[in-house]
Amino acid sequence: QVQLVESGGGLVKPGGSLRLSCAASGFTFSDYYMSWIRQAPGKGLEWVSYISSSSSYTNYADSVKGRFTISRDNAKNSLYLQMNSLRAEDTAVYYCARLVVVPAANDYWGQGTLVTVSS
Amino acid sequence: QSALTQPASVSGSPGQSITISCTGTSSDVGSYNLVSWYQQHPGKAPKLMIYEVSKRPSGVSNRFSGSKSGNTASLTISGLQAEDEADYYCCSYAGSSTLGVFGGGTKLTVL
Repeated sequence: QVQLVESGGGLVKPGGSLRLSCAASGFTFSDYYMSWIRQAPGKGLEWVSYISSSSSYTNYADSVKGRFTISRDNAKNSLYLQMNSLRAEDTAVYYCARLVVVPAANDYWGQGTLVTVSS
Repeated sequence: QSALTQPASVSGSPGQSITISCTGTSSDVGSYNLVSWYQQHPGKAPKLMIYEVSKRPSGVSNRFSGSKSGNTASLTISGLQAEDEADYYCCSYAGSSTLGVFGGGTKLTVL
């Protein structure tokens, strides 16, 4: 069965950095585009970024462009999100998800990892 | 791009049908048959219920259906059940070099 397990969240000060990881299993990871989607506490969903199956193409929300970097390691079945220059408004649960229709629908989601940016 | 517009809340009684609307523009919902819908229970990850306007993933009940007219997409849930109580989000493709844009979410209450 498809499983996505995020890790790496935590408390970080404004201006700090954090690297999120997502371990994938139960499917051929290298065949799929992958996404990061976040949800601020009590708020709606925001698509942060996605990456093509071969890492040749990436896309970012304007709110994170230049600060966040998405990457993947197909040999390790892993997806990453490097987050730099973090701001209070980046506080959210971050989900990794598998893109089933590019770039329009994510069919499997992890349980999420909470990132809190606060001094 | 701006978020899609959904009603903040809808409600219905068990066995009834409800419809949640998702209004965008001619640049997103109106231009592409790439609208998806997600169900999210409190403290849980979202679950894909509908993709490409009206397609259901394997395992999703046929009580859930999607449609689109012009710049507005809709999710209809028939035969409401208590377990349908959740937040629902729509999402639409908005053109090349963009990410999908989500609606603000609708809280469904089963009375």
